[in-house]
Amino acid sequence: EAQVTQNPRYLITVTGKKLTVTCSQNMNHEYMSWYRQDPGLGLRQIYYSMNVEVTDKGDVPEGYKVSRKEKRNFPLILESPSPNQTSLYFCASSLEGSNSNQPQHFGDGTRLSIL
Amino acid sequence: DQQVKQNSPSLSVQEGRISILNCDYTNSMFDYFLWYKKYPAEGPTFLISISSIKDKNEDGRFTVFLNKSAKHLSLHIVPSQPGDSAVYFCAASYRIYNQGGKLIFGQGTELSVKP
Repeated sequence: EAQVTQNPRYLITVTGKKLTVTCSQNMNHEYMSWYRQDPGLGLRQIYYSMNVEVTDKGDVPEGYKVSRKEKRNFPLILESPSPNQTSLYFCASSLEGSNSNQPQHFGDGTRLSIL
Repeated sequence: DQQVKQNSPSLSVQEGRISILNCDYTNSMFDYFLWYKKYPAEGPTFLISISSIKDKNEDGRFTVFLNKSAKHLSLHIVPSQPGDSAVYFCAASYRIYNQGGKLIFGQGTELSVKP
């Protein structure tokens, strides 16, 4: 089954404790992206990757890191999490970049709470 | 600065009637627009898209209209069904070399279709 898998689905942690949210896709997609969803703000793009070893900032990259060492995986790293990073996070992938008729497939989300 | 705006946080419609969800944008460089649907506890799923060279795209009960002069697009669902109850996100992107991967979402509109 074609899917985007995020782990963990839920995480409660404390300020300053490094964490990684994993994202994996099995569709051989070139493009992957991370979003956060906050009430009243919709989905905002954090980082995206057009291909292996190619990453770029979205609209809200501060406090986050990503890497794309292999095509299927695109982990999101919070080196020193803070409470304002409490949010619902989505990973997505598509065959090509966002400006195409290849829509993005989303994972089911990761709810992070930073205390 | 919110480049893509969905000014109605919620919409309630009777089953069988038409649902019209609206979206406004400010960036005239956007050349591709998409609608996503999101159920609780799931990731967004692609619904329908339209290129800026068109003014209408239809897929079954769903039709998207684009008015470039007004920088406005709308999603029509006819007839509406209770299973259409979800949050709908409008999204837009544009093709500039180093920003071809950016996708800008609106805040979302929660549609409730009552039996």
